[in-house]
Amino acid sequence: SQELEQSPQSLIVQEGKNLTINCTSSKTLYGLYWYKQKYGEGLIFLMMLQKGGEEKSHEKITAKLDEKKQQSSLHITASQPSHAGIYLCGADNGLMGNTGKLIFGQGTTLQVKP
Amino acid sequence: GAVVSQHPSWVICKSGTSVKIECRSLDFQATTMFWYRQFPKQSLMLMATSNEGSKATYEQGVEKDKFLINHASLTLSTLTVTSAHPEDSSFYICSAIGVTEAFFGQGTRLTVV
Repeated sequence: SQELEQSPQSLIVQEGKNLTINCTSSKTLYGLYWYKQKYGEGLIFLMMLQKGGEEKSHEKITAKLDEKKQQSSLHITASQPSHAGIYLCGADNGLMGNTGKLIFGQGTTLQVKP
Repeated sequence: GAVVSQHPSWVICKSGTSVKIECRSLDFQATTMFWYRQFPKQSLMLMATSNEGSKATYEQGVEKDKFLINHASLTLSTLTVTSAHPEDSSFYICSAIGVTEAFFGQGTRLTVV
């Protein structure tokens, strides 16, 4: 079965600093989702990647999927306290990557110090 | 705004009672919805796939008689935790697949006392 490994598990950065979170899969990724969650709350969709080498950006967050489609990274530029939360990567095993049935990584907890 | 609505947001129940959680797709029809469970400081684990008009498909280790799923319409799936026990206390969250992505509900915090 597919497994997703996120690193680091937790991260504390100073406001204004850049940071990167990685998500590595044991199998080829057909659909890779990035979500943000505040503990005990719902998931906020950030981005979805499907193609090898694909890169998407939204505001100060950029996500990439490597050419081999087994690793994704989430990069935050000039972090702000509002970026704090738990970041989850999720893999959709469907060949088109859009079945909606996701396997999640263990999450990365981000704290941003003012 | 939210395209998947989950209700209630939180619920406290006594051990041995049953609790029903609703998941509604607001702007689209969802023939398939998913139910996940998240224990404190852990990631989301898929519990079951809810199929409109047919039986749900449960993941290995999830008791189908304890977690009853009903998907009677294209916009509503319900999860009923029967004879709840303290170990069932968790964060339950549903999702539905839209045109291009999976949308998640706000989640339900269940506490069994």
